[in-house]
Amino acid sequence: DAMVIQNPRYQVTQFGKPVTLSCSQTLNHNVMYWYQQKSSQAPKLLFHYYDKDFNNEADTPDNFQSRRPNTSFCFLDIRSPGLGDAAMYLCATSRRAISTDTQYFGPGTRLTVL
Amino acid sequence: AQRVTQPEKLLSVFKGAPVELKCNYSYSGSPELFWYVQYSRQRLQLLLRHISRESIKGFTADLNKGETSFHLKKPFAQEEDSAMYYCALITGSGNTGKLIFGQGTTLQVKP
Repeated sequence: DAMVIQNPRYQVTQFGKPVTLSCSQTLNHNVMYWYQQKSSQAPKLLFHYYDKDFNNEADTPDNFQSRRPNTSFCFLDIRSPGLGDAAMYLCATSRRAISTDTQYFGPGTRLTVL
Repeated sequence: AQRVTQPEKLLSVFKGAPVELKCNYSYSGSPELFWYVQYSRQRLQLLLRHISRESIKGFTADLNKGETSFHLKKPFAQEEDSAMYYCALITGSGNTGKLIFGQGTTLQVKP
């Protein structure tokens, strides 16, 4: 089945130790998004790629970076994770460059920072 | 400011009872609104969108611009409806859609 895949599902890292979360898609969608969802809060958009064009949200900390080496893969890099970065990270994709297109979500990666 | 508000964290009903999950929004433009659902141990997925005017799994939602609301309704709740429901507003111009989510409401349908 075509889908959005996130690896790993659970990630534990140490305070200040860089970590990378992975997202891949078999939908051949143009747009890929990264959301952060802290406990009992709404998902919040960090950034997105439209093809190779990177779009950062104004309030996304500099600690968060992203890479999209090809259509299928997108990575979230956290350079120096703090305790406040512990959250569920959701990857999503959408097909067309139209704002009302459906976003398809991955299962998420739960990040724990020790 | 663009904002989505879901006033109830938890809604608990008995099977067969009507359900209404409340959603209010704040947006200066013409809103595009969605309901997303997350069943236990499953991924977040689209339930319905207001522009489609459709009924999915017995759920409907009507956009009321006067009251800035987009409440989700179902006349007879089923146990399998138990899930987390998020109301979302899409914003952004040009090429991509930025979803702004509400805090979510957990719907618990008791047998």
